[in-house]
Amino acid sequence: EPEVTQTPSHQVTQMGQEVILRCVPISNHLYFYWYRQILGQKVEFLVSFYNNEISEKSEIFDDQFSVERPDGSNFTLKIRSTKLEDSAMYFCASSELARQETQYFGPGTRLLVL
Amino acid sequence: GQNIDQPTEMTATEGAIVQINCTYQTSGFNGLFWYQQHAGEAPTFLSYNVLDGLEEKGRFSSFLSRSKGYSYLLLKELQMKDSASYLCAVRVSSGAGSYQLTFGKGTKLSVIP
Repeated sequence: EPEVTQTPSHQVTQMGQEVILRCVPISNHLYFYWYRQILGQKVEFLVSFYNNEISEKSEIFDDQFSVERPDGSNFTLKIRSTKLEDSAMYFCASSELARQETQYFGPGTRLLVL
Repeated sequence: GQNIDQPTEMTATEGAIVQINCTYQTSGFNGLFWYQQHAGEAPTFLSYNVLDGLEEKGRFSSFLSRSKGYSYLLLKELQMKDSASYLCAVRVSSGAGSYQLTFGKGTKLSVIP
């Protein structure tokens, strides 16, 4: 069964550094999403992406964040100048269409900012 | 804004039935999802309701009442492996062509022998 994959599974970085989290969505899916989950808290929407542009973003997704689809398979989340509070699990999700379609989540990248 | 409420924790016995409730107040409602999340893992899709009524899927059923802003997830014949967090998520339409999921805090279910 097709699945969303993410790399790395874990990332440790120093405060102020930049990180890039990578995702490979399910191949025939057209909509891509990033969510984060701070330890012990709820899953929060960050951004959705369709047709090579951002469809929607939350207030969390400020200028520190950017997304890109550099090729036909990868979908990346870049976090510039990381802060301690960026430590969280970051989930990528994809859906075949936006409407009436389930979002399937990847296994997540656990980011720790020291 | 969006508000989703579900109990923080529940405990049930192996083999029993448990109902996890979720209430929501949202604008742009476009469906309600239930996900299962084991500790440290990704949310896994369980069920989806967009119309009122009951959707059954094996041991899991989910109910939706849009007029009441209410849903429940029913788990039958509980197994130890069902111990996990159950996330209620509402899909909202922003009108910008995107359909983000807004999650509740999750209900941590513990299944005991």
